[in-house]
Amino acid sequence: ILNVEQSPQSLHVQEGDSTNFTCSFPSSNFYALHWYRWETAKSPEALFVMTLNGDEKKKGRISATLNTKEGYSYLYIKGSQPEDSATYLCAAANQAGTALIFGKGTTLSVSS
Amino acid sequence: NAGVTQTPKFQVLKTGQSMTLQCAQDMNHNSMYWYRQDPGMGLRLIYYSASEGTTDKGEVPNGYNVSRLNKREFSLRLESAAPSQTSVYFCASSDTGWDSPLHFGNGTRLTVT
Repeated sequence: ILNVEQSPQSLHVQEGDSTNFTCSFPSSNFYALHWYRWETAKSPEALFVMTLNGDEKKKGRISATLNTKEGYSYLYIKGSQPEDSATYLCAAANQAGTALIFGKGTTLSVSS
Repeated sequence: NAGVTQTPKFQVLKTGQSMTLQCAQDMNHNSMYWYRQDPGMGLRLIYYSASEGTTDKGEVPNGYNVSRLNKREFSLRLESAAPSQTSVYFCASSDTGWDSPLHFGNGTRLTVT
């Protein structure tokens, strides 16, 4: 079973700040890396799925990068807004394909 | 489109009772999954079905059984509930497996006393 680590565990920023989180995963036999946004009292919502080394994806003010050789992905939020407050989950799958393993998440709180 | 629909939303069971959590998706997805969420833990995979007619164990399958009834429906059964199965259960589906995004249901909060 893969070990997927996310840091920091939680983060508090002011409105307008830019921030980033890290997801670490085993680089051997990598298959796919997912990012999800999870708001309180809702279900997780997919942000990105990345499979290739060097992938960069963007959705509005949120972007993500992937380094499969060293086993990490960054999620960036530019100009944080209070509505960005949520827990951000990453998940990784390897080529054995038996599971998509989730990290414990980074909880972001944005103050206005 | 409703997406992924789970029933019930809440359930309280006594130790030893059985129940089935229902899940249906209307996106014509091939793969379906059951996860559980516990405080301080990430989402953990219980069982998944890569395609209609197949099911496989995930990280934490003990105490559970599943049925992929058809392409739309994937149920999770607790034969003899235990307090350790108190959790929030999420069903999810995806188009083609681990390289496509998961779409989650709204969750079932289960308490076993």
